[in-house]
Amino acid sequence: QVQLVQSGAEVKKPGSSVKVSCKASGGTFNNYAISWVRQAPGQGLEWMGGITPIFDTTNYAQKFQGRVTMTADKSTTTAYMELSSLRSEDTALYYCARVPVTTTSFGFDYWGQGTLVTVSS
Amino acid sequence: QSVLTQPPSVSGAPGQRVTISCTGSSSNFGAGYDVHWYQHLPGTAPKLLIYGNKNRPSGVPDRFSGSKSGTSASLAISGLQAEDEADYYCQSYDSSLSGWVFGGGTKLTVL
Repeated sequence: QVQLVQSGAEVKKPGSSVKVSCKASGGTFNNYAISWVRQAPGQGLEWMGGITPIFDTTNYAQKFQGRVTMTADKSTTTAYMELSSLRSEDTALYYCARVPVTTTSFGFDYWGQGTLVTVSS
Repeated sequence: QSVLTQPPSVSGAPGQRVTISCTGSSSNFGAGYDVHWYQHLPGTAPKLLIYGNKNRPSGVPDRFSGSKSGTSASLAISGLQAEDEADYYCQSYDSSLSGWVFGGGTKLTVL
């Protein structure tokens, strides 16, 4: 069955960077894009951007442009999200999710379990 | 301020029917992009509830239904059960932003 397994919780200092991984199994990695979504405490879901591994293309939400880098390793079917210049407002639960490459009509059908990133001095 | 607008909360008694609205614009729903709905329990991964406006993934009860018309969409839940108490989010693609957008979320309370 399809699984997206994310790396463990992180505690970071303001100004530093964090890199979260998302390993996909049980599906055809090249047929899907991986999106990253976060939820800050008491807030809603926020799309950060995504990567299409088969084309190695990325699409970032404007809010995160310049601070986020999404990559993917097709050989290990793992996607990565790195967020830099961390501030306290980046404390959130970060999720990866998969979406078909060729259409916007199916939504995000599988999600990772979430990775808690805490930014604190 | 979310691109898609949802009511912050709705409530209903067990067995009742509730609806959650989601208002978009000409750059998402009005441009023909589909609406998707997610159920989210705190601390767990969001679950795809409805995709492509009205389709239910395997395993989602038919108590959940979705619709979309023009720049608005809605999720209906009939025969409310205590286990339905959760946050619900609508989602679509936005051509002006060239990316995915979520509604602000609606907290469903089962009285």
